[in-house]
Amino acid sequence: KNEVEQSPQNLTAQEGEFITINCSYSVGISALHWLQQHPGGGIVSLFMLSSGKKKHGRLIATINIQEKHSSLHITASHPRDSAVYICAVVTTGTGGNQFYFGTGTSLTVIP
Amino acid sequence: NAGVTQTPKFQVLKTGQSMTLQCAQDMNHNSMYWYRQDPGMGLRLIYYSASEGTTDKGEVPNGYNVSRLNKREFSLRLESAAPSQTSVYFCASSALWLVAAYNEQFFGPGTRLTVL
Repeated sequence: KNEVEQSPQNLTAQEGEFITINCSYSVGISALHWLQQHPGGGIVSLFMLSSGKKKHGRLIATINIQEKHSSLHITASHPRDSAVYICAVVTTGTGGNQFYFGTGTSLTVIP
Repeated sequence: NAGVTQTPKFQVLKTGQSMTLQCAQDMNHNSMYWYRQDPGMGLRLIYYSASEGTTDKGEVPNGYNVSRLNKREFSLRLESAAPSQTSVYFCASSALWLVAAYNEQFFGPGTRLTVL
């Protein structure tokens, strides 16, 4: 059973296209993170959300707590956006914090 | 600032050998983490240290031990390596224990470990 499901698993887009990556989770969360893993393996945190929407340049992340769903949007996609995008959620309970990671969405943007 | 550094970058071990993966951060962060990443699976937390002097098990702690040597350094030890421990290992740190939305995690470059 996966607490975090991402879709699609793989995505190929033409440069300039609008891209959406989805993340659904099955647990109550205190925070949701979007991470970017570069082709060389390095991981960078993009967003942290507990409600609403955040924007960084061409990247927008939204979360709907009631529906247990988050989306990552990339506007005007560029080949340098090619990476694996990982959704992660954090739950807080009596046992402390639990981390759950999705398996990632592999994005390739073609010039 | 170097951020989070890990050594070594690559390692090949034989079954039964031991080794220690080193991690250091220069951001004065309180919390540090060790993850493993396997093909087709998400990152999985092995151990974490919410603050200097404390360590706790994560999702997949079996076969590993950790030491929070000081605020900067958090090492991961494999006492008797097994092929199932072939993976990419990431160390990460955050300012605070990851309980609120603003606690960004900073990741090291990873260590690719192969156990034959």
